[in-house]
Amino acid sequence: GENVEQHPSTLSVQEGDSAVIKCTYSDSASNYFPWYKQELGKGPQLIIDIRSNVGEKKDQRIAVTLNKTAKHFSLHITETQPEDSAVYFCAASKDNNDMRFGAGTRLTVKP
Amino acid sequence: SQTIHQWPATLVQPVGSPLSLECTVEGTSNPNLYWYRQAAGRGLQLLFYSVGIGQISSEVPQNLSASRPQDRQFILSSKKLLLSDSGFYLCAWETGWGAEETQYFGPGTRLLVL
Repeated sequence: GENVEQHPSTLSVQEGDSAVIKCTYSDSASNYFPWYKQELGKGPQLIIDIRSNVGEKKDQRIAVTLNKTAKHFSLHITETQPEDSAVYFCAASKDNNDMRFGAGTRLTVKP
Repeated sequence: SQTIHQWPATLVQPVGSPLSLECTVEGTSNPNLYWYRQAAGRGLQLLFYSVGIGQISSEVPQNLSASRPQDRQFILSSKKLLLSDSGFYLCAWETGWGAEETQYFGPGTRLLVL
């Protein structure tokens, strides 16, 4: 089955700097890659996703890149703000009932 | 628009007591439904998923069970809780057709077994 690895497990940046979180996956048939943000005590919320026919997607300060050949995808947050502090999860799936999550990255943005 | 509800929000239960957590979805029909557990500071562990009423698939053997008595209702249960059942329980839904669909999570239930 699919195995998703996420790095780093913790990340601390200064406000205004960029943050990058990377994930790798094992199943080359995976074709959908969402990213979730989880604030303390809440459920994960979808922040951006990318499908296999796209190499990069951007939404304001957040971007995701996908390299299908290397089987890795990354989340980029620019101009980080304290409210970006949260746990971020990547995931990969190839069809319903088959989404696998990374272990999460705890991002801290220091003011 | 679709919304997903979970209750209770928090629960403190003694070891050996029963458990019932409820999840309901509004604004969609025939969704796929999921139960995840998240241990403190850790990732998401898929416990059960359901593609329809009465249809439950279990990902890991454990002390818990799930049921889907109605199309948009998903229940997580236990007859006797263990200390290791403590955690943050998340329900999620996705549309029941097509591929590459997003899962949307509920607010979660924090369970502490003492």
